[in-house]
Amino acid sequence: NAGVTQTPKFQVLKTGQSMTLQCAQDMNHEYMSWYRQDPGMGLRLIHYSVGAGITDQGEVPNGYNVSRSTTEDFPLRLLSAAPAQTSVYFCASSYSTGSGEKLFFGSGTQLSVL
Amino acid sequence: AQTVTQSQPEMSVQEAETVTLSCTYDTSESNYYLFWYKQPPSRQMILVIRQEAYKQQNATENRFSVNFQKAAKSFSLKISDSQLGDTAMYFCAFMKHEGSNYQLIWGAGTKLIIKP
Repeated sequence: NAGVTQTPKFQVLKTGQSMTLQCAQDMNHEYMSWYRQDPGMGLRLIHYSVGAGITDQGEVPNGYNVSRSTTEDFPLRLLSAAPAQTSVYFCASSYSTGSGEKLFFGSGTQLSVL
Repeated sequence: AQTVTQSQPEMSVQEAETVTLSCTYDTSESNYYLFWYKQPPSRQMILVIRQEAYKQQNATENRFSVNFQKAAKSFSLKISDSQLGDTAMYFCAFMKHEGSNYQLIWGAGTKLIIKP
């Protein structure tokens, strides 16, 4: 059972470039989300999805797009990378959130924008 | 807005000692969930323990236990018989509910170092 798979693990971009961070889960989870982790701060929610075809913004959505065409996949797109987007990105999923279920996390993507 | 505060940026203890990590939160909700997650140097986020606010009994998981004080909005984590593998960042998180949406609000974390 692979759980939550994130790719790539590391990425360096130049300002203005675009890219997609991939996230896939094989647990048939309804809920998927993207967080960013910055030094000295807790995780901050970027976007989330409660099912295929449904996405919504989190706390820090600007500069990022998401889509959820299948239950398994939830890619995060950086439209025009900026140095402020240098961070560690985590994808997380759970069967649902209403009962306070735990999140299953991917291993993270270290992104540097030069 | 709900907030989660971890007042100890870093702590260190000797192996086999007991250590308590602090967490306070601010909310007007009466029913919610609280979590402690561990992030070792591998960067993987791992659930340590979970507490439901309507349960008065403190959650325990082997060497890990919490002291949940609902009126004081406090949710501390106690690690007994600490081991070298407990060295990690520890994050406290609060699950808030807005309409049909549930979101986690995270503290800034406490870096715990277990010394041999």
